Amino acid sequence: GAGVSQSPRYKVAKRGQDVALRCDPISGHVSLFWYQQALGQGPEFLTYFQNEAQLDKSGLPSDRFFAERPEGSVSTLKIQRTQQEDSAVYLCASSLAEYNEQFFGPGTRLTVL
Amino acid sequence: SQQGEEDPQALSIQEGENATMNCSYKTSINNLQWYRQNSGRGLVHLILIRSNEREKHSGRLRVTLDTSKKSSSLLITASRAADTASYFCATGDYKLSFGAGTTVTVRA
Repeated sequence: GAGVSQSPRYKVAKRGQDVALRCDPISGHVSLFWYQQALGQGPEFLTYFQNEAQLDKSGLPSDRFFAERPEGSVSTLKIQRTQQEDSAVYLCASSLAEYNEQFFGPGTRLTVL
Repeated sequence: SQQGEEDPQALSIQEGENATMNCSYKTSINNLQWYRQNSGRGLVHLILIRSNEREKHSGRLRVTLDTSKKSSSLLITASRAADTASYFCATGDYKLSFGAGTTVTVRA
């Protein structure tokens, strides 16, 4: 496709469940970013990949959050033992290079009950 | 933590009117970006202004940047119903830091 795609678009999890969120970046984009957006707030940076290398994970809120991009294309954000405070929209973005414009996907809305 | 702060939090205008929103930030920047987010959709990049630029135009959008005041403004001229959205400013080279946004409602 032409843009960044994310799946699923909506995810409901029971507290304590593990979830996996997928991001398909624009083909050829080297850089990939994950952001978390709480209701009524702007997105907050979680982590950044350049190809398959995770260069910055300073925004991950806890060690329950893990991201990977093993082949330098598709990325997965995994949240283990979900908590209610993890409820948010998770946005993925990609760019041609580190400092270029970031193109965002539609996000995955995670609700933890 | 969010570096940028948009003002006002919400804005309601009549179709055809202009809408202005402001962004203030805390630390020095290389560039500042504005994004739009429609309800339930992802962020769309609107415009990037570099620290050595004072004003930039894109269609009906005009962005100004005052690095001495650490502030930027976004003006939407001749607003349309389709401009109804939340608008965010973002700073940072790769690790974007967003404000809480301005919600703009354009009434028909």
